[in-house]
Formats: sequence, C-alpha cells, structure tokens
Amino acid sequence: DQQVKQNSPSLSVQEGRISILNCDYTNSMFDYFLWYKKYPAEGPTFLISISSIKDKNEDGRFTVFLNKSAKHLSLHIVPSQPGDSAVYFCAASVGNAGNMLTFGGGTRLMVKP
Amino acid sequence: EPEVTQTPSHQVTQMGQEVILRCVPISNHLYFYWYRQILGQKVEFLVSFYNNEISEKSEIFDDQFSVERPDGSNFTLKIRSTKLEDSAMYFCASSEAGQGAGYTFGSGTRLTVV
Repeated sequence: DQQVKQNSPSLSVQEGRISILNCDYTNSMFDYFLWYKKYPAEGPTFLISISSIKDKNEDGRFTVFLNKSAKHLSLHIVPSQPGDSAVYFCAASVGNAGNMLTFGGGTRLMVKP
Repeated sequence: EPEVTQTPSHQVTQMGQEVILRCVPISNHLYFYWYRQILGQKVEFLVSFYNNEISEKSEIFDDQFSVERPDGSNFTLKIRSTKLEDSAMYFCASSEAGQGAGYTFGSGTRLTVV
C-alpha cells in the first residue's frame, strides 16, 4: 500500500544547479505534506512543509510546490550544495494533531562539486 | 538546540528475547512517536502517544509491542518476544501541538535480532 511514492531512488546534480525531488500521493485525505532530510546513522531532519490550502512554500534555498489536482509535490533546492547530499523523504498526514506521517521511499541526492 | 535522545544506539538480541528501547523526548513536547525503518525500506509509523495513552497505532504495532512513559522524561518501546523481522532502525520522535512540522526525530536505535 504505497500511499506516498517517490519514483526516483536517486538523483545526481552539479553544485550550484537546481535539484528537483518529486513525490506523488494517492490518499486524497492527506492535507499536510513535509520533506525530511536524512544522513546515514541519523534520524530524519525536518526541512519544510506545506498545507493543502497552499500551492507553494519557500524557506531559503528550499521551495515546496503542491499540485493537489495531480496529487504531486516537489522540493526544489537552489542552488544545490555538496552538503545537501543526503536521502530526502516526503511525508504526508491527515490533519496535524499528533497524526501519523506516511513516508515515501526516499530519494538519494548527490550533489557533485 | 533541544534534541531527542535514544539509547542504546545499537542493540543486538537473540530471537525470542525482550528488548526495551529508550527515548528521552524534548521536555516541552506533548506528542511522542515511534517509527521504524527496515533496511532498504520506508520509514514506517508504529505508534503515537499523548496524555499517557496511545492515540494511534499501525498494523505493525501488534501485541508484541508496548509503549510506556514511566516517568516525566522517558518514553520506551518494548518488544516482548523479538523476531528476526523486527531487525530495523527504530526512531523515536516528539512534537508540540502535534504538528508534523514540529516532529523532532532521535538518531535511532539499530536493533539486530539474531
């Protein structure tokens, strides 16, 4: 039951360029979406989130876009830096009051110097 | 910056043994969670805990699992009789006001069942 899917297991980009990570979901009840970054041997670290009432949220180099009709969200990182190399997970929840997060399978981003 | 602390970082146990994974959530957080990630698979929700009781649990969280907040600071996950397929990274998380954006994850406990 893959309610949240990240179809690209890996992505390689050059330093300074834009990284675009994609995520699709099937459960139309999801109304809160998040992106997490994970380094080996560490827990996921929150990056950015978006509520379903918005279609874009920006925080520094990170922007998340939400297309509800397509049930698709994306994370843009610009400019990409070598320190951004990590596994990125998108996650979704129904409501935001202590509800479970459903994670995608992750995309490994490699930013080459 | 406040952090969620998990101990031990690595636990090896024999099949059938009981294990207790420990977590110290951020002190002013009200919601507590356990997630796990089997090697090469997704991060999966196990259970959420609020006001001293389970608020939600997944199908994975069967009778072998239990959670407890024995005092004001610790939050534990107990697996009564471990199976080989319980081998995974177990992540504790906490949040204030239950918002997903406020989730802070610990670094995880790698459980290896042999």
